[in-house]
Amino acid sequence: ETGVTQSPTHLIKTRGQQVTLRCSSQSGHNTVSWYQQALGQGPQFIFQYYREEENGRGNFPPRFSGLQFPNYSSELNVNALELDDSALYLCASSSRPSGASGTGELFFGEGSRLTVL
Amino acid sequence: GENVEQHPSTLSVQEGDSAVIKCTYSDSASNYFPWYKQELGKRPQLIIDIRSNVGEKKDQRIAVTLNKTAKHFSLHITETQPEDSAVYFCAASYAGANNLFFGTGTRLTVIP
Repeated sequence: ETGVTQSPTHLIKTRGQQVTLRCSSQSGHNTVSWYQQALGQGPQFIFQYYREEENGRGNFPPRFSGLQFPNYSSELNVNALELDDSALYLCASSSRPSGASGTGELFFGEGSRLTVL
Repeated sequence: GENVEQHPSTLSVQEGDSAVIKCTYSDSASNYFPWYKQELGKRPQLIIDIRSNVGEKKDQRIAVTLNKTAKHFSLHITETQPEDSAVYFCAASYAGANNLFFGTGTRLTVIP
């Protein structure tokens, strides 16, 4: 069983640029969620993908967008980067989008640390 | 939406002592409360969770208690060891939600 993998692990961009982050979900998981973790803060929900469709979104502007592919892997795209976008971006997979206990246990990747200069 | 607050933000204990981290939540519909441990540079990993139909759950040195009336839950670590040093996050969710609402984290340092 393979865990959640993310790439790249670190990257540096400048304001106004665009970035694409990638995630492969854990084997057997069909749901991928993205979280932003600013320094010293808890993860904040960006959005969830299920069956290649966005299935819920947190309080993030439209310049944050995503994709999910038939193999359940996912991409997070951020356009027009701002300094405040500097953070650790965590991908999490789960076996279902929601249920009696919400989304249930999340399995996180190691994250992609984005620095915007 | 749900708002989860976590205290303290930092906690230092001597090896062998107990550590307690507390969280409060705002939405009475929340019924699932996981705790994640994040070591430096590593991914968050689930260490224990509790659902609202029980008041306490234990797993070896770790326990979580839940008070639904007061809307707070706590993580208890007994006989702390240096490898317990990490950032701990509480979270909450509810039926039908597609995300976890996380607290701001507690940096636990266990002093040998």
